[in-house]
Amino acid sequence: ETGVTQSPTHLIKTRGQQVTLRCSSQSGHNTVSWYQQALGQGPQFIFQYYREEENGRGNFPPRFSGLQFPNYSSELNVNALELDDSALYLCASSLKSGGLSYEQYFGPGTRLTVT
Amino acid sequence: SQKIEQNSEALNIQEGKTATLTCNYTNYSPAYLQWYRQDPGRGPVFLLLIRENEKEKRKERLKVTFDTTLKQSLFHITASQPADSATYLCALDEDFGNEKLTFGTGTRLTIIP
Repeated sequence: ETGVTQSPTHLIKTRGQQVTLRCSSQSGHNTVSWYQQALGQGPQFIFQYYREEENGRGNFPPRFSGLQFPNYSSELNVNALELDDSALYLCASSLKSGGLSYEQYFGPGTRLTVT
Repeated sequence: SQKIEQNSEALNIQEGKTATLTCNYTNYSPAYLQWYRQDPGRGPVFLLLIRENEKEKRKERLKVTFDTTLKQSLFHITASQPADSATYLCALDEDFGNEKLTFGTGTRLTIIP
C-alpha cells in the first residue's frame, strides 16, 4: 500500500453538476499528478502540481482544475460534468528532484459516475 | 501522431514459465520508461523504471529492457506465479523528461496454475 489516500471512494453526480475530489500525498513527496482512467484504458494525464502551481497539463478542457496546498495535498475540481467524465480518477504523488519527477505512487482512486 | 502500444490485451501463461510483455511507442523521445502493475479496482503500483541510456534493469523476478532504436521495451516475469496475475501498464514521459506521463492501455496477464 502506498501512503496516498483519496476521498471519496465512490461518487454519483448528475450531468451539469460540479465535483471536488481530494488527495493526500505520500509523506516526503512534493508533487501531485491527477489522471483519468476510463474502463479498459490506461490512465490519462490531466495535470500535475508542484509547489502549489500547475506544472504540466494534458488534453483536458479548462473545466478541469486543481489546487495543491502547502502540505502537498491536492484537489481536482470538475465543473459542468458530462457523461463522458465517468471514470476512475487517480491521484499520484512523487518527489521532484533535479527538475524531474520519477516513479509515481498512486492512490486507490475515486470512481465517479455521471448520470 | 504519438502512440504507445502494448502487444496484446490479454496474455495467458502457465505457472512457472516466463511471461514477456511488449511495449512499443512511436513519435516519442522519452527520458525513461516505467512499468506499473494494476489490480482490479486499485491504483497502479510502480514496479520498475529504466532510463533511455540503460539497456536492462532487474528487480527480483522482474526484468525490463529498453531499446530506443527499436522504440520498444520488454517486460519479463520469470518463474511466474498465479499472484502475478494483473494488468501491466507501461508509461513514458512524452518529451524527454517533461512532466506528462503517458500510459499504454495495458496487458491483462493471467498465470494459469
